Amino acid sequence: DGGITQSPKYLFRKEGQNVTLSCEQNLNHDAMYWYRQDPGQGLRLIYYSQIVNDFQKGDIAEGYSVSREKKESFPLTVTSAQKNPTAFYLCASSSGGKKGSPLHFGNGTRLTVT
Amino acid sequence: GENVEQHPSTLSVQEGDSAVIKCTYSDSASNYFPWYKQELGKRPQLIIDIRSNVGEKKDQRIAVTLNKTAKHFSLHITETQPEDSAVYFCASFGGTYKYIFGTGTRLKVLA
Repeated sequence: DGGITQSPKYLFRKEGQNVTLSCEQNLNHDAMYWYRQDPGQGLRLIYYSQIVNDFQKGDIAEGYSVSREKKESFPLTVTSAQKNPTAFYLCASSSGGKKGSPLHFGNGTRLTVT
Repeated sequence: GENVEQHPSTLSVQEGDSAVIKCTYSDSASNYFPWYKQELGKRPQLIIDIRSNVGEKKDQRIAVTLNKTAKHFSLHITETQPEDSAVYFCASFGGTYKYIFGTGTRLKVLA
């Protein structure tokens, strides 16, 4: 979906370094989400945001941080405190609200930490 | 917390046969249930969804059914084709504004 852009596609970092994954959307969506996907596994929620300047922890927030200073942007920082950061990271957005609506995903960032 | 259970984890069918994937959700406030298809190395793509006030929805060879009382919903694919081979995820959305995903079903359609 051209409406959500994640960059970079591949990212390599040394252990102990913080790294920030970019997520930008031009769909005018209020809600944005970060998921982590490990090989052969489902999608686990890291953080989500329903509105600018507000965000909530998901199921696996430890070792991660986010910000939501602009409606279109929701960057994710993987800190050195995250024990197993190597994974495929997916950003998504939806129009938000109490009634669910389709979740649109970016193409993902594959992070490798050695 | 909320969770979604998905079965089976793998499913192999002969081309032309039907495939059924089942999910169970825990949050009684859930009101929206999407299904996603993910091909290897790519992002999940929405294939069909259903709201809590509807019992069944069809789109060509794909259908989804919802049983709110039992908190079950299922994906049905008829006349399967090799290009249907992928990983399928169910999800629920409810009162906490979170999309909770199942663990996925790897579908293989054998030619």
